[in-house]
Amino acid sequence: DVQLVQSGAEVRKPGESLEISCKTSGYSFSDYWIVWVRQMPGKGLEWMGIINPGDSDTRYNASFQGHVTISADTSINTAYVRWSSLTASDTAMYYCARPVRPNWGFDALEIWGQGTMVTVSS
Amino acid sequence: ESVLTQSPGTLSLSAGERATLHCRASQFAPSNYLAWYQQKPGQPPRLLIHRASNRATVTPDRFSGSGSGTDFTLTISRLEPEDSGMYYCHQYGSSPLLGFGGGTKVEIK
Repeated sequence: DVQLVQSGAEVRKPGESLEISCKTSGYSFSDYWIVWVRQMPGKGLEWMGIINPGDSDTRYNASFQGHVTISADTSINTAYVRWSSLTASDTAMYYCARPVRPNWGFDALEIWGQGTMVTVSS
Repeated sequence: ESVLTQSPGTLSLSAGERATLHCRASQFAPSNYLAWYQQKPGQPPRLLIHRASNRATVTPDRFSGSGSGTDFTLTISRLEPEDSGMYYCHQYGSSPLLGFGGGTKVEIK
């Protein structure tokens, strides 16, 4: 059974760093890109970026470039998003997702994690 | 980034009625790379339709997608109470085209 299980909710202060994770199981981690999607409270979905765990090729939405870092660890089948300095506008639900097809990052998103809520408040 | 405009913003219908949701893309979608998702409160999105008209594995057949180019439609033939929620369209295929629509809220009276 294919599963993406995300780390738990986080509360941080502005300026703090944070890393959230997405642990996968039930398929070959290196064969499928992982996509990260942001959903701000009461708002729609935004594509943040993608990573190919097989070779660490990473692409970012221009709106997120330089503010987040996406990475993956194939030894534990887990993908990450990291912030070095959070702001209040980072308060959102963050989802990881797996595309329909292997070896292609720009695909429809078939399998989703349960989401990680990040709250940034002083 | 392609801008996707969904209409209407809210659709309020009774169980058993037909629902028609629209998605217009600002840029042409090659190969009809357009997906639809359903999202219920407190849950992640669920893929319903990909490549404009292909149902995902567990999508009931009352859901159908159509369209091409820049105009796409999701139809729910007979609404069930569990169909209430937000519906998002998603254009994909290459980085410059990636984007999600703003969503349509479906309410069951």
